[in-house]
Amino acid sequence: KAGVTQTPRYLIKTRGQQVTLSCSPISGHRSVSWYQQTPGQGLQFLFEYFSETQRNKGNFPGRFSGRQFSNSRSEMNVSTLELGDSALYLCASSLRSGSGNTIYFGEGSWLTVV
Amino acid sequence: EDKVVQSPLSLVVHEGDTVTLNCSYEVTNFRSLLWYKQEKKAPTFLFMLTSSGIEKKSGRLSSILDKKELFSILNITATQTGDSAIYLCAVESNAGNMLTFGGGTRLMVKP
Repeated sequence: KAGVTQTPRYLIKTRGQQVTLSCSPISGHRSVSWYQQTPGQGLQFLFEYFSETQRNKGNFPGRFSGRQFSNSRSEMNVSTLELGDSALYLCASSLRSGSGNTIYFGEGSWLTVV
Repeated sequence: EDKVVQSPLSLVVHEGDTVTLNCSYEVTNFRSLLWYKQEKKAPTFLFMLTSSGIEKKSGRLSSILDKKELFSILNITATQTGDSAIYLCAVESNAGNMLTFGGGTRLMVKP
């Protein structure tokens, strides 16, 4: 069974540009959540999608957005990139949304903003 | 604001040693506590704990939750160099899969 797949794995962008990251959850999983990991702040929750609806959102500016498609695949977008957006972006999937569900992570997309 | 604190920040041991990693939390509407191991890539799921006092075990790793004192421990016995990693504790506190993570414990196991 394939795990959580994220693309691209590595990318470099310039300040002011925008970026779109993609995540394919484990087959059958309908909940997809996104996290940002930086050395200074650790792992921080961005948002969660379930059945194409955003269920939760973390404390990030509106430049960070996401969506989920009918096949449960998800994308996140960051507009007007800043140097501080350089981070590992992790996608996680689980069968359902709610407590008691094991959450599995993908290998992440490493974003460098220069 | 939900808060998860892990200790120690880092730990260096020798192969064969036993280690105990700590995780304390202050969250509203606690749902579950999860442990992950992160090497240079994706955090790998280790345990999910929802009930106090029930030990979860997988090989040399075990974990237990105390919901009264709001903490969990992760034990690793007979450590191996392959156990070197960052161990992350996370708490799920609201409806939906929103995890609050601790800062992690960096474990280094020397041969």
